[in-house]
Amino acid sequence: AQKVTQAQTEISVVEKEDVTLDCVYETRDTTYYLFWYKQPPSGELVFLIRRNSFDEQNEISGRYSWNFQKSTSSFNFTITASQVVDSAVYFCALSEAYRNTDKLIFGTGTRLQVFP
Amino acid sequence: EPEVTQTPSHQVTQMGQEVILRCVPISNHLYFYWYRQILGQKVEFLVSFYNNEISEKSEISDDQFSVERPDGSNFTLKIRSTKLEDSAMYFCASLWRGHTDTQYFGPGTRLTVL
Repeated sequence: AQKVTQAQTEISVVEKEDVTLDCVYETRDTTYYLFWYKQPPSGELVFLIRRNSFDEQNEISGRYSWNFQKSTSSFNFTITASQVVDSAVYFCALSEAYRNTDKLIFGTGTRLQVFP
Repeated sequence: EPEVTQTPSHQVTQMGQEVILRCVPISNHLYFYWYRQILGQKVEFLVSFYNNEISEKSEISDDQFSVERPDGSNFTLKIRSTKLEDSAMYFCASLWRGHTDTQYFGPGTRLTVL
């Protein structure tokens, strides 16, 4: 069965600290996609990154970086030099390629609070 | 940049009433979705729609929920006989099955059932 686990319910940091949000997934499929979405206090879901299961190369986008490790079924997200505007709930999600629907299976989210 | 839009932003209804939530997906997208997020909880898949028919429906959506694409642009979610536990944020998403394969979400409709 497919599942996404975000064990950290809430993380609080002070501005400029680095923070890593953990994501562990389960799937029986060999082809799948992993995502991170940000949900700021305004409530919308903002797409951050998509990764397919054949691409384990880490990615960096500005202060954001992602570490995908198939050996541990993890897709962790690091924010470097956090800012107050990073305060949000972050969701990791999985979709499996064999399904025609590409539905997303979300984790329970990690609430990040960045204090000035 | 194209975006998914949803109306209304907030809907209040009485228990037992029917509501219709509306979405306008990104124009060249082919796959459409509804998700639900009960306050403080995770986002849950409800239903997916492709080629004018439902492609998958979750256990939680059952017969109470139905979807339609009445014209070339709108995508609706109808909730019959609303219950208190239907109070949630409902998100529409769309996807163009191509090299991007990323679902883009609308801003959501907050449904409050009294």
